Amino acid sequence: EDQVTQSPEALRLQEGESSSLNCSYTVSGLRGLFWYRQDPGKGPEFLFTLYSAGEEKEKERLKATLTKKESFLHITAPKPEDSATYLCAFTNSGYSTLTFGKGTMLLVSP
Amino acid sequence: NAGVTQTPKFQVLKTGQSMTLQCAQDMNHNSMYWYRQDPGMGLRLIYYSASEGTTDKGEVPNGYNVSRLNKREFSLRLESAAPSQTSVYFCASSLDRQQETQYFGPGTRLLVL
Repeated sequence: EDQVTQSPEALRLQEGESSSLNCSYTVSGLRGLFWYRQDPGKGPEFLFTLYSAGEEKEKERLKATLTKKESFLHITAPKPEDSATYLCAFTNSGYSTLTFGKGTMLLVSP
Repeated sequence: NAGVTQTPKFQVLKTGQSMTLQCAQDMNHNSMYWYRQDPGMGLRLIYYSASEGTTDKGEVPNGYNVSRLNKREFSLRLESAAPSQTSVYFCASSLDRQQETQYFGPGTRLLVL
C-alpha cells in the first residue's frame, strides 16, 4: 500500500537554527511529491512540487529535495514566522488524488 | 481573485441534523475536492470531482454526498450528522487531474453534538 511518513512529529528550533524535515514514502510509481504549509486555523498553502529524484526547489529560507525514498524540507536560518505545520503529500502514476502525511509541527522561538 | 472560498466558517449541529457545506473557486479550475482533517489523522479525501458533471468517492465517503453544481461550485452534504463527523472540512481545486497542484480554501469547522 502506498504511504508517506513524516518525521519528526514536532520540532522546536531557535531562530537561526537550521534543520530539516523528513518525508519518507513508499509509492508504486511516484508521480509527484508535494509540500504544503498550514498555519493554525487556515487551509494548507502550496509550497513545492518535485517530480524526479535529484530535483531541488527553493523559496526564501526553504529548500525541498527528493530522493527515490525520501524528500527533505530544509529550513535555513528560520524565523518565528516560519512556525507552522508542514505537510507532505504524493500522487502516483495512476493519477491518484493527493495522499497526505500527518505533518510536522514546527515552532521557531525568537 | 478570491481563490477558493468556503461557507460557513463554523457550524454547530445536533446529531441527526443535516447541512450543506458550500465551496466555490474563481480560478477556472476543472477539478475540485473535499477533505476532512482530524487530529492525528491528517487530511483525508472524502469526494472529488475531476470535471464538471463527474464525482467520485475518496477514502472516507460514508455519510456524505456531493454535488458539482457547475464548474465553480462543489458542495458537500451531511444528510444525518453524527458526532464522528466533527472535523475541519477543506475544499480544494486544481486545474485538472493531470495538473495536480491543489489550492485549498480556509476550511469549515463543524461540531456535531
